[in-house]
Amino acid sequence: NAGVMQNPRHLVRRRGQEARLRCSPMKGHSHVYWYRQLPEEGLKFMVYLQKENIIDESGMPKERFSAEFPKEGPSILRIQQVVRGDSAAYFCASSPGSTGEAFFGQGTRLTVV
Amino acid sequence: GESVGLHLPTLSVQEGDNSIINCAYSNSASDYFIWYKQESGKGPQFIIDIRSNMDKRQGQRVTVLLNKTVKHLSLQIAATQPGDSAVYFCAEIRDYGGATNKLIFGTGTLLAVQP
Repeated sequence: NAGVMQNPRHLVRRRGQEARLRCSPMKGHSHVYWYRQLPEEGLKFMVYLQKENIIDESGMPKERFSAEFPKEGPSILRIQQVVRGDSAAYFCASSPGSTGEAFFGQGTRLTVV
Repeated sequence: GESVGLHLPTLSVQEGDNSIINCAYSNSASDYFIWYKQESGKGPQFIIDIRSNMDKRQGQRVTVLLNKTVKHLSLQIAATQPGDSAVYFCAEIRDYGGATNKLIFGTGTLLAVQP
């Protein structure tokens, strides 16, 4: 049973470009969380999704950031018009339901140049 | 705002010694706590959890203690090994089983095990 898969592992974007980060949850998991981690800091919650629904997006910046978890396919975190401050590691976690252990992926490290 | 924070940013221990990593939380309504281990370049890995109706829980070489009176959480690692070297985070969930189970993370403690 593969774990949470995130790709790409590393992503370099120039300022103003778009970044698309993908997360495939563990098999049987229908709940996905996205977190952002700045260097030497803890993870900050961004958004919580279930299949086709955004449950809690209280941690998402109001502009340029969006997330989806379609009925088929991976969850996508999309950042439009990236700026240097978006450089961070973005982690996805999945769980089978509203309770139960959340398993994390290896993260996508976004660098904006 | 409310947060989960750690007392010590770096902890250096000798191999074989016991390690204690501390964490303070500010929201007395939190009812579920988890310790994570994060190695360099990897995602957080679950170590142990504890519900607010407990004050102690033991795993393999690890023990978590919860003191709700002073809102304090600790992780004890017995016979620390070089492979334990990592950053350790405590995290809380404020309404476990509710509409959202988002984790509120602390800033982390770097555990460095000296051979």
